[in-house]
Amino acid sequence: NAGVTQTPKFRVLKTGQSMTLLCAQDMNHEYMYWYRQDPGMGLRLIHYSVGEGTTAKGEVPDGYNVSRLKKQNFLLGLESAAPSQTSVYFCASGTGTGAGGNQPQHFGDGTRLSIL
Amino acid sequence: GQNIDQPTEMTATEGAIVQINCTYQTSGFNGLFWYQQHAGEAPTFLSYNVLDGLEEKGRFSSFLSRSKGYSYLLLKELQMKDSASYLCAVRSYNYGQNFVFGPGTRLSVLP
Repeated sequence: NAGVTQTPKFRVLKTGQSMTLLCAQDMNHEYMYWYRQDPGMGLRLIHYSVGEGTTAKGEVPDGYNVSRLKKQNFLLGLESAAPSQTSVYFCASGTGTGAGGNQPQHFGDGTRLSIL
Repeated sequence: GQNIDQPTEMTATEGAIVQINCTYQTSGFNGLFWYQQHAGEAPTFLSYNVLDGLEEKGRFSSFLSRSKGYSYLLLKELQMKDSASYLCAVRSYNYGQNFVFGPGTRLSVLP
């Protein structure tokens, strides 16, 4: 059982380049999330999805786009990378607060992205 | 809005007990979660509180007071492997059932 898998693990980009980060989960979770983690600021929510075909903005969505074409996958895109987007990106998945109770999120191992 | 505060760093000795505090301001409170994150790794779930009181899980316990907007994580019989960051996160009905994370507390356990 792989849980939440993120690819790639590391990437260096030049300003203005584009790229897509892939997140895949095998736990049949409805909810998926993209966070960025910067020193001293904790995890901040970029975008999230409450089910296949749905996406919504989080706290810091500018400069990012997402897609959830399949339930198990959640893609994060940077159309024109900027140095301010240098960060560690975490994907997470989880259930809602329904019959299963209030369940925690499960995180991937992160993608370390540097924009030069 | 949402606001969560935690101490930035703490130091404790192997075998001791340490308490990491978390204060929060939120509307539509729907649970408080504690995660552990070792350097360079993903956060992993430790404990969860939605009602007032103490939840115990082995060496780890977590306490919640909703009226005071306060929680703490208690770590007993500290081990070197407990050196990590500890993240407090609040789930809110008014935030799309999403989680707001505090800045994290970096705990160093010394021999």
